[in-house]
Amino acid sequence: GEDVEQSLFLSVREGDSSVINCTYTDSSSTYLYWYKQEPGAGLQLLTYIFSNMDMKQDQRLTVLLNKKDKHLSLRIADTQTGDSAIYFCAEILYQKVTFGTGTKLQVIP
Amino acid sequence: EADIYQTPRYLVIGTGKKITLECSQTMGHDKMYWYQQDPGMELHLIHYSYGVNSTEKGDLSSESTVSRIRTEHFPLTLESARPSHTSQYLCASRAGQGYTEAFFGQGTRLTVV
Repeated sequence: GEDVEQSLFLSVREGDSSVINCTYTDSSSTYLYWYKQEPGAGLQLLTYIFSNMDMKQDQRLTVLLNKKDKHLSLRIADTQTGDSAIYFCAEILYQKVTFGTGTKLQVIP
Repeated sequence: EADIYQTPRYLVIGTGKKITLECSQTMGHDKMYWYQQDPGMELHLIHYSYGVNSTEKGDLSSESTVSRIRTEHFPLTLESARPSHTSQYLCASRAGQGYTEAFFGQGTRLTVV
């Protein structure tokens, strides 16, 4: 199957770190992505990771990949109110882009 | 900046009408996708295309149809709109093989009354 699961909601205080988790089911996936969707908009790519990597850091964003457990996480350091959005993980398998269920991040000032 | 455009952004239409949602990209991407997004956020793949004259049904059954006569254009048509079709529709495209980012349009918010 190609189900990609995420927790629905996360609430953090401004300045704290946010960790958004994702579990995918197909170990053949070679590319995994994190997208951000702001209200009323399409999705924008935040970062990606190849399956042969364990970690990738890009400014405030850190992606961790555990292939054994098929677990992907996105850590946002020093979370800001502008980070409030819906975050989707996604995998590419057989040319189809399959998205997770989405996690709504609420940042409390 | 992504060069992928969807029109209209918002559409309110009566039951039984035929509608076409437009999606165009100027990046020369082979692969294009249509997603339906629930109010509860989840994205469902309804159609995709590998290139001109190629169309495939996605994971979610849909009463819509698509065509891919030109690389840059991937319209989605509903022959007879129903209130159950009320949703956000997102179009995306990506290039080539391997790692390539999917670029998204701004979406079309469809309401069928």
